[in-house]
Amino acid sequence: DIQMTQSPSSLSASVGDRVTFTCQASQGISKYLNWYQQKPGKAPKLVIYDASNLEREVPSRFSGSGSGTHFTFTISSLQAEDIATYYCQQYENLPITFGQGTRLEIK
Amino acid sequence: VQVVESGGGLVQPGRSLRLSCTTSGLTFGDYAMSWFRQAPGKGLEWVGFIRSKDYDGTTEYAASVKGRFTILRDDFKTTAYLQMNSLKTEDTAVYYCSSGSMIFGVVRYFDYWGQGTLVSVSS
Repeated sequence: DIQMTQSPSSLSASVGDRVTFTCQASQGISKYLNWYQQKPGKAPKLVIYDASNLEREVPSRFSGSGSGTHFTFTISSLQAEDIATYYCQQYENLPITFGQGTRLEIK
Repeated sequence: VQVVESGGGLVQPGRSLRLSCTTSGLTFGDYAMSWFRQAPGKGLEWVGFIRSKDYDGTTEYAASVKGRFTILRDDFKTTAYLQMNSLKTEDTAVYYCSSGSMIFGVVRYFDYWGQGTLVSVSS
């Protein structure tokens, strides 16, 4: 199975900050990586697909980059409504696997 | 698009439960339908999916549920199902249904999600 490792596990930042966190795959996955946002008590929501494509109706302050084994997720200017846990997910191989999540909090 | 799961509840170990995932506003036949779960306080775990009829409705499962869980789909009713047999306490989780966008039979990403339904396995 492909292991996905996210860092940091949690992150505290202020409104307006640029926020970046990463996802590392245990083997190369090309660009077959997605990012999801999950707010407390809610279902996950697709934010970025294929490493860098913004899902429709998602604000442009969200972006993703990377390929192979190293991927980055960025929020250019953090808003209060962005507080959530973010998960990366690979689909290079079955089983589909997720990272353990990065919990984003407001400072 | 709406995706609504139902059928969760409290069940004893070893028993069965069937979850339903009803959709509307989705071109259901074009999508794979997938199930995920999230144990209390834990991360997301993929359970399995069923491809569209274009790919013969073939199924894939996580090792933790293979042989116990079965995913079915009824394109006429735009509904997917998760039949769970021989339930274990470690199957306790919120179960989510999602539509999977496919290309050449590969399920790429999951764009429409339901709100989840809680399954508690306990004696």
